[in-house]
Amino acid sequence: TQLLEQSPQFLSIQEGENLTVYCNSSSVFSSLQWYRQEPGEGPVLLVTVVTGGEVKKLKRLTFQFGDARKDSSLHITAAQPGDTGLYLCAGGGGGFKTIFGAGTRLFVKA
Amino acid sequence: DAGITQSPRHKVTETGTPVTLRCHQTENHRYMYWYRQDPGHGLRLIHYSYGVKDTDKGEVSDGYSVSRSKTEDFLLTLESATSSQTSVYFCAIGRTSGNRDEQYFGPGTRLTVT
Repeated sequence: TQLLEQSPQFLSIQEGENLTVYCNSSSVFSSLQWYRQEPGEGPVLLVTVVTGGEVKKLKRLTFQFGDARKDSSLHITAAQPGDTGLYLCAGGGGGFKTIFGAGTRLFVKA
Repeated sequence: DAGITQSPRHKVTETGTPVTLRCHQTENHRYMYWYRQDPGHGLRLIHYSYGVKDTDKGEVSDGYSVSRSKTEDFLLTLESATSSQTSVYFCAIGRTSGNRDEQYFGPGTRLTVT
């Protein structure tokens, strides 16, 4: 059974701090997605990475796919209260084979 | 915005009653999914569809059935609701291109079974 483990499960930081969250697996994925979910809403796709070692940037968010395509990280620079939410990673291999991690809940205090 | 709506958004029902949740999309996507989200478990796939009348089971399908008679609508039915089915249910559509498997979610339905 494929599993995606996310760490930390919960993170509370002050505005302006940097942080990194991780998504790890023993399985290889053909692609990996990161989503952000705010309370009372559905997850929203942030980025997809498909190539081992790939780095993508979305404003202050930097996403990296591991060389072996088994893990990924999300780094946020100078976090802001608007970054608060649940961050989910998902590993793909064909739509109905996508699996989701349990998420990292981030709270950024002003 | 992928044009996905879910109804109802909130529902409280009693144990043993049947419940149907509706997902509607406006963009003619082939793939549609139903997930449930529970604390500590992330999103777990209940059923999915790859076309009209083409559906299959996901990871946690026991106690649930689905139907897709039109491309735009995907229905999830709890045949006899139990308290363990209290959860938030999300519908999603899938866009697949090469190795990219991207899903776009509806706003969710919060279901409470008393």
